[in-house]
Amino acid sequence: GENVEQHPSTLSVQEGDSAVIKCTYSDSASNYFPWYKQELGKGPQLIIDIRSNVGEKKDQRIAVTLNKTAKHFSLHITETQPEDSAVYFCAASLYGQNFVFGPGTRLSVLP
Amino acid sequence: DTEVTQTPKHLVMGMTNKKSLKCEQHMGHRAMYWYKQKAKKPPELMFVYSYEKLSINESVPSRFSPECPNSSLLNLHLHALQPEDSALYLCASSQALSGNYGYTFGSGTRLTVV
Repeated sequence: GENVEQHPSTLSVQEGDSAVIKCTYSDSASNYFPWYKQELGKGPQLIIDIRSNVGEKKDQRIAVTLNKTAKHFSLHITETQPEDSAVYFCAASLYGQNFVFGPGTRLSVLP
Repeated sequence: DTEVTQTPKHLVMGMTNKKSLKCEQHMGHRAMYWYKQKAKKPPELMFVYSYEKLSINESVPSRFSPECPNSSLLNLHLHALQPEDSALYLCASSQALSGNYGYTFGSGTRLTVV
């Protein structure tokens, strides 16, 4: 079955700096890769996703890149703000079924 | 309406109690999910409903019983739980079971079993 690794487990950055979180997956058939942000006391919120036929996707300060050959995908957050502080989960799935989540990255943006 | 609403937000129950968690969405999504999340861990899939039929049961103990009365509602009936079942229970929905659709999660029910 699919296995997703995520690094780093914790990340602290200064406000205004960039943050990068990387995930690797094991099943080359996986074709859908969402990223979720979970704030304290809330459920995960979809922030961006990418499909296997696309190498990069951007939405304002957030971007995701996918390297199918290496089987890894990364979340890039630019100009970080304190409200970006949260736990971020990556996930991999085949056609949106049976998401496998990574273990999560706790991002702290220091003012 | 772009939300998944879960009630109650918090629940404390004894090991002999029977309680139910409720989830509602009005986005027309046809797939609904129950996840369990322990502290500092990712969500773990419990059940999947597609078009109101149970599609996946991830070997969840029978003390958890899901129900999907209609396309907008999902319940999780709890009976004779153990303290280790204390966790955040998340409901999610997506447009369909397959097709690369992201999930919309509710805020969860924080369950404590005493």
